[in-house]
Amino acid sequence: EPEVTQTPSHQVTQMGQEVILRCVPISNHLYFYWYRQILGQKVEFLVSFYNNEISEKSEIFDDQFSVERPDGSNFTLKIRSTKLEDSAMYFCASSGALAGESYEQYFGPGTRLTVT
Amino acid sequence: AQSVTQLGSHVSVSEGALVLLRCNYSSSVPPYLFWYVQYPNQGLQLLLKYTSAATLVKGINGFEAEFKKSETSFHLTKPSAHMSDAAEYFCAVNLKAAGNKLTFGGGTRVLVKP
Repeated sequence: EPEVTQTPSHQVTQMGQEVILRCVPISNHLYFYWYRQILGQKVEFLVSFYNNEISEKSEIFDDQFSVERPDGSNFTLKIRSTKLEDSAMYFCASSGALAGESYEQYFGPGTRLTVT
Repeated sequence: AQSVTQLGSHVSVSEGALVLLRCNYSSSVPPYLFWYVQYPNQGLQLLLKYTSAATLVKGINGFEAEFKKSETSFHLTKPSAHMSDAAEYFCAVNLKAAGNKLTFGGGTRVLVKP
């Protein structure tokens, strides 16, 4: 069964450093998403991406964040200058958008980002 | 705007007992509704979804949920809890349009007692 994959599973970085979180969505999906979950809190939407551009973003997704689909398979989230409060589990998700498909989103296993 | 409220951040049930997890939503348009499960140190797995077909939806692992528009609810049930059901469960709403974000509830952690 196709699945969303994410690398790395755990990333430790120092405050102020740049990090790139990587995702490989399901191959025939057209919509891509990033969510995050701070420890003990609810899952929060960050950004959605379609047709090579951002379709929606939350207030959390400020200028420090960017997303990119550098090739036909990868989808990345970059944080330019990490802060302590960026420590969270980051989930990538993808969904299909063809006629007759439901809009369910398939999630990857997550990348745990720890900023020290 | 859309929002989701899950009543009870923790639920404890005995093995073999009914599991009932409550979810209420608010949405300006008819929504799609989902339940996801998160096992310890794992990602989110889709349990079931409501996408405007049958109001009683059956999912994996014996779970089901009923969409009640008049009550704006989408409660999750399982007749008989199993030890393997111990996990965190999230209700989520998505507006009826491809690509829209999921808005999650706060989650309910289920503990199953032997």
